[in-house]
Amino acid sequence: GAVVSQHPSRVICKSGTSVKIECRSLDFQATTMFWYRQFPKQSLMLMATSNEGSKATYEQGVEKDKFLINHASLTLSTLTVTSAHPEDSSFYICSARDQLEKLFFGSGTQLSVL
Amino acid sequence: AQKITQTQPGMFVQEKEAVTLDCTYDTSDQSYGLFWYKQPSSGEMIFLIYQGSYDEQNATEGRYSLNFQKARKSANLVISASQLGDSAMYFCAMREGRGYNKLIFGAGTRLAVHP
Repeated sequence: GAVVSQHPSRVICKSGTSVKIECRSLDFQATTMFWYRQFPKQSLMLMATSNEGSKATYEQGVEKDKFLINHASLTLSTLTVTSAHPEDSSFYICSARDQLEKLFFGSGTQLSVL
Repeated sequence: AQKITQTQPGMFVQEKEAVTLDCTYDTSDQSYGLFWYKQPSSGEMIFLIYQGSYDEQNATEGRYSLNFQKARKSANLVISASQLGDSAMYFCAMREGRGYNKLIFGAGTRLAVHP
């Protein structure tokens, strides 16, 4: 089956630094990828929709300058948390849509900001 | 208004018994899709089952079946013959419209299977 690789699985960083999370579709081309955020014991909240070759579409309340999304190729989307603060600590998970419009999720990234 | 409602924060079931996890949804679209995902403690999202709004028959995938009641806007997940490995968070999700896969998730239900 289709595989979506998300890296890193866990990252700890100091407050004020930037962190990049990668989401790769390993065996299919993904024109659209989605980024979600999940707080402990809560549901997944959609942050943005990433379209290859164009600007991401952010959900209401999500800061574009805070969460930079780049979808430069058909197999890679990146989420950069800029100037991270402790309140940005969360579980981030991506999903990718294949040509048959099926969705596949990455394994998630646990971000801890000290 | 909440699009996806899961009213059971937690459920218990005895091993080998069946369990139903509730999900109701709200949409004005005629075309939509309903999904169930399992999230173990490792965090990955595992796709379980899908029901399209125009599908006349309830979806089934192995031990999973979806009790789709369109008029009541409910899409309950039934797990038969529960196993210890079924213990996890379960999320109901909805996609509105065709071909656009933005999913809206419910709050989730934590299922604990007891031996």
